[in-house]
Amino acid sequence: KNEVEQSPQNLTAQEGEFITINCSYSVGISALHWLQQHPGGGIVSLFMLSSGKKKHGRLIATINIQEKHSSLHITASHPRDSAVYICAVKSKGLQSYGKLTFGQGTILTVHP
Amino acid sequence: DAGVIQSPRHEVTEMGQEVTLRCKPISGHDYLFWYRQTMMRGLELLIYFNNNVPIDDSGMPEDRFSAKMPNASFSTLKIQPSEPRDSAVYFCASSLSYRASGQETQYFGPGTRLLVL
Repeated sequence: KNEVEQSPQNLTAQEGEFITINCSYSVGISALHWLQQHPGGGIVSLFMLSSGKKKHGRLIATINIQEKHSSLHITASHPRDSAVYICAVKSKGLQSYGKLTFGQGTILTVHP
Repeated sequence: DAGVIQSPRHEVTEMGQEVTLRCKPISGHDYLFWYRQTMMRGLELLIYFNNNVPIDDSGMPEDRFSAKMPNASFSTLKIQPSEPRDSAVYFCASSLSYRASGQETQYFGPGTRLLVL
């Protein structure tokens, strides 16, 4: 079993729909990252979370440390949101500073 | 700032050849990471440096892979000899320490797409 599991693997939506991508992890972490990879391949960091919730525009990320689960929500989805969304966790411990373990990614396609 | 710069953007080589990938991190960043992305395994950390010193190279697949960071503004990832299974996209990323920035956001380069025939 992977340390970081994302669901769903593929997600298709119509423009305007509310989207949720889930991430579950099995290790103790100090932080969780959500990344976006554009169709051209570039990777952008969206959020870094250690507790609670963060919001940036139409994107909202939440984390529940006790349940080892995080969600990424997109409100009023748009075709330009089509990308691969990747969850990554940083394990606890000084030795693991900066070392991220990645989920397999969720491929999101938003149709007009 | 120009962001993280990687070169070349694309590399096609034949099995057995030496391949060198290059990375220039964002100026002032003290962490540098090398990642590999494949369809089968997704993104994997290969090695990371702090203040030019390798901290964790447990992700380096085998002795054919080596990485150096001779100074704060330059790093290389070398594969010698290359094999077809090394075909992947190799990303470099940099970040500031949490102590310096209060966060651990990693900034990724555009990647080098490597094809070994």
